[in-house]
Amino acid sequence: QQQVKQSPQSLIVQKGGISIINCAYENTAFDYFPWYQQFPGKGPALLIAIRPDVSEKKEGRFTISFNKSAKQFSLHIMDSQPGDSATYFCAASPNSGGSNYKLTFGKGTLLTVNP
Amino acid sequence: NAGVTQTPKFQVLKTGQSMTLQCAQDMNHEYMSWYRQDPGMGLRLIHYSVGAGITDQGEVPNGYNVSRSTTEDFPLRLLSAAPSQTSVYFCARSRQGLGTTEAFFGQGTRLTVV
Repeated sequence: QQQVKQSPQSLIVQKGGISIINCAYENTAFDYFPWYQQFPGKGPALLIAIRPDVSEKKEGRFTISFNKSAKQFSLHIMDSQPGDSATYFCAASPNSGGSNYKLTFGKGTLLTVNP
Repeated sequence: NAGVTQTPKFQVLKTGQSMTLQCAQDMNHEYMSWYRQDPGMGLRLIHYSVGAGITDQGEVPNGYNVSRSTTEDFPLRLLSAAPSQTSVYFCARSRQGLGTTEAFFGQGTRLTVV
């Protein structure tokens, strides 16, 4: 049972364009929703995260939109740059003492930004 | 390395061999986890620990053992390697706290079982 569904699997965007990656979850116990960025040969690194008490969070060119009733959340990358080319993972975690050591990941989206 | 050191970086095993993947953190965080990453599958939780002496199973624990004798170290043991365990393994640390706390991942160990 896949608890976090991510789409699309791959995405090609032109420089300056908007990249949008979507995720949906099933477990209503999830209450922390991070996005991770991973470059080849490296470990995932936290990009931005949101809790369900807000519907949107923005950090620079990166924005998370969250729809609690639909159990969906998405990552928007504005003014996409070639340096943003990487694999992006959405994830979810239950409320566990304030930490997130039990992350459930989506299957990932390979983003390519063409110059 | 986000304060998480994984060794070795690469390893080739024969089916049936045993080995230990090492993970060490230098931030004194309470929580540590092991994930495996397979193509098209994202990362899946193998085992986790909420403190020294306390471990529990994640989503895909079969074939793996862990122990946590110190806060710093969280080794992952493969007792009898199988080709299905060919994967990239990531160790992560995070601290206990109120609100959101970030999980920091190591650089990974790429394991091939032949």
